[in-house]
Amino acid sequence: DTGVSQDPRHKITKRGQNVTFRCDPISEHNRLYWYRQTLGQGPEFLTYFQNEAQLEKSRLLSDRFSAERPKGSFSTLEIQRTEQGDSAMYLCASSSTGTQIRLGYTFGSGTRLTVV
Amino acid sequence: KNQVEQSPQSLIILEGKNCTLQCNYTVSPFSNLRWYKQDTGRGPVSLTIMTFSENTKSNGRYTATLDADTKQSSLHITASQLSDSASYICVVSGMGGGADGLTFGKGTHLIIQP
Repeated sequence: DTGVSQDPRHKITKRGQNVTFRCDPISEHNRLYWYRQTLGQGPEFLTYFQNEAQLEKSRLLSDRFSAERPKGSFSTLEIQRTEQGDSAMYLCASSSTGTQIRLGYTFGSGTRLTVV
Repeated sequence: KNQVEQSPQSLIILEGKNCTLQCNYTVSPFSNLRWYKQDTGRGPVSLTIMTFSENTKSNGRYTATLDADTKQSSLHITASQLSDSASYICVVSGMGGGADGLTFGKGTHLIIQP
């Protein structure tokens, strides 16, 4: 296992199109998180899963955003009808409930979305 | 409202010099504080995690300190290298910060010049 993988690394899309990102967490991690980061800012929490259950969603997650983790392994984040304000780095992170405090999160390299 | 403030916003130093980055927080109750290094275009990588009872922790040339009474932390980088050029993000775990109560700072952008 080489860590948290995100695909694609970069995505350029036209305004109004739908996009979907994928995250593969560390296999033994039961928690998976999605964050959004704009230039010069820290990551902002979007949502997280424990196994397949989506336990929390930020108010930043408008109804155009949906995230799934159907089998408790990989997750997808879909943005419908993209807007220019959606341009950002979308980060995925994973952790284990048992070691979260001691080891923290492992982040993926992110997906850079540009809406033109 | 839980907040994490980092200073300076950006810093330029010469290779080989030392530097210290600051983090002040108002997160309460406090669980732990983390420092991450984020290279441009990459995800954050954990440097240190400190709980309430720990006041210093080292990871190679990186040394983090924590004063839970004054709610301040610092990250000291010794003998800087060009590869230290990155953003350094302070993250505090408490309540109400979203998933695990994490509140992120905006980061300090560090540039090491040869």
